[in-house]
Order: sequence, then structure tokens, then C-alpha cells
Amino acid sequence: NAGVTQTPKFRILKIGQSMTLQCAQDMNHNYMYWYRQDPGMGLKLIYYSVGAGITDKGEVPNGYNVSRSTTEDFPLRLELAAPSQTSVYFCASTDFLVPYGYTFGSGTRLTVV
Amino acid sequence: EDQVTQSPEALRLQEGESSSLNCSYTVSGLRGLFWYRQDPGKGPEFLFTLYSAGEEKEKERLKATLTKKESFLHITAPKPEDSATYLCAVQATGDSGGSNYKLTFGKGTLLTVNP
Repeated sequence: NAGVTQTPKFRILKIGQSMTLQCAQDMNHNYMYWYRQDPGMGLKLIYYSVGAGITDKGEVPNGYNVSRSTTEDFPLRLELAAPSQTSVYFCASTDFLVPYGYTFGSGTRLTVV
Repeated sequence: EDQVTQSPEALRLQEGESSSLNCSYTVSGLRGLFWYRQDPGKGPEFLFTLYSAGEEKEKERLKATLTKKESFLHITAPKPEDSATYLCAVQATGDSGGSNYKLTFGKGTLLTVNP
């Protein structure tokens, strides 16, 4: 049971570069989320999806884009990376049919220099 | 707007010294309150879900309780392996649709247990 898989685990980007953070889950969950976690700031919601083809903005969506073409995958796109996007990014999924809230991936640590 | 405040920000205990972590919340209606444990360099790991005031859940040395305004995570006779950041999150009832399915997180409490 893989759960939620995030790739890559680490990445260094130069200012202005673009990249896609990958997230895949094998639990057939409808709901998927992207959070960023900065020291002392907690988890902030970037984007979320309630099913294939449906996405919506969270608290901090600027500078990011998402798509959800399948139930399994929910990639996060960073366009024109900025130092303010240096963070740890977590993908999560759930179906809320069992009382455990989210299942999280192991995170992607991104540094923009 | 849903809000979650955790205190203290950091807590240092000696092995065997029991204590409690606090999670205060403000939501229009509570669907569930969640506790997670996060180890350095890893994603949060589920501990408990609480749904209504008066509810309690236990797991090993941890016990979570819930009132109408706050939740406590009690740690009894902690061990060094309990050292981690503990996160609290709430799910609000909200309106119908996707907004029901987001969790709002507190900033966490960093617990250190010294041997």
C-alpha cells in the first residue's frame, strides 16, 4: 500500500525557472490537497480538488497552478519561481469515509535561489 | 473564518513528566477535530479524530479530549520517542460542496522529551 507518493523529495530551482511537483495516490480518494509548510507558520492550503476535473483555490494560490485529469494524480505547477516559494510542500488525500482525515505524502523540500 | 490556535509553541519535558497540549478553535460548526504527529522531514501522521464535546480517545501514552472551544492532548509519562511536532486541525460543517472537505491547521506544538 503506497498511499500518497510525492516526487521529487528535494529540488533547488533558480529564480524564474518552472517545475511540476508530482503527487499520486492509490487509495481511490476523491479529495486531494496541496499545502505548503514554512517554519513557525503551520500548513497553508494552496489548492485542492474534490474530484477529477474539479479544482479550487486555497489560502495561498498565487504563483501556483494545478490540474486533476485523473483520480490518482494531482500535480502542482510552479511558474516563474520566486524565493518566497522556498518551502516544504505536502500533498494529501482523503475520502472522509473513514475517520482519519488526511493521508499525507512525505513532502517535497523546494529551495529557490 | 475558521481559526486554530495551539499552545504552547514548544514544550520541553523530562521523561516521565506528564503534561498537556492545547488546541483552541473557532468554527461556524465543527464536523471534526484532528490530531496529527509530525516527525522532522516527514509528513504528518494521523493520531485521533474527535467529533463532539465530551469525547475522548486514547492511544498508548496519548489521550485527546474535546470541549466546545478547545481540545487537549494529554501525554502521560512521555518517552523520548514521543518527541515530535503535534498538529491540530478542524473540519467545519460549512455549506454544501467542496468547502466541507478542507482542514484548517494550527501552527503546531514542538514537543521535546529528554531522557
